[in-house]
Amino acid sequence: DIQLTQSPSFLSASLGDRVTITCRASQDINNYLAWYQQKPGKAPDLLIYSASTLQSGVPSRFSGSGSGTEFTLTISSLQPEDFATYYCQQLRSYPLTFGGGTKVEIK
Amino acid sequence: QEHLVESGGDVVQPGRSLRLSCGGAGFVFMSYTFHWVRQAPGKGLEWLAVILYDGTNKAHADSVKGRFTFSRDNSKNTLYLQMDSLRTEDTAVYYCARVMVGGQGAFDIWGPGTKVIVSS
Repeated sequence: DIQLTQSPSFLSASLGDRVTITCRASQDINNYLAWYQQKPGKAPDLLIYSASTLQSGVPSRFSGSGSGTEFTLTISSLQPEDFATYYCQQLRSYPLTFGGGTKVEIK
Repeated sequence: QEHLVESGGDVVQPGRSLRLSCGGAGFVFMSYTFHWVRQAPGKGLEWLAVILYDGTNKAHADSVKGRFTFSRDNSKNTLYLQMDSLRTEDTAVYYCARVMVGGQGAFDIWGPGTKVIVSS
């Protein structure tokens, strides 16, 4: 199984901050990676697919990069609605797996 | 409006069975592949299974192997998750999710989830 390690697991940031979350895969997954945002009590929402393609309707302050085993999700300027938990997901092979999540809280 | 809605969550005793449903609307249901994902209280996301457009269960997680059965009825625009021999560790919110077209398999639409509590 492909393991995904997200870091950090928790981060505290202020409005307007640039935030970067890392996701490392235990083996090469090319660009078969998606990022999701989840708010408490809600289902996840797709932010980015194919490692760097922004899902329709997602603000441009979100961006993704990487290929192979290392990936990043960046929020260029943190907004109030961005405080949530973020998950990466590999889609390269079954079983599909998710990272452990990164909770972004207000400093 | 494209959406999915799960139902059937309940409180059940260990060893008992439960069937969840996931209905889709606003899109051509039979054309899509779907997945089931669950989330235990306070924990991360756990992928469970993929159901192809024709009902084939191509893959599923080892944690539910032999206990959970995944199916769909395209005439009813509905997915089913039959859960047998439930364990306390199956307590979670269960989500169904749609695979987007052209997104390398990413999940573009999720239902709101249905809660299953396994407890004596």
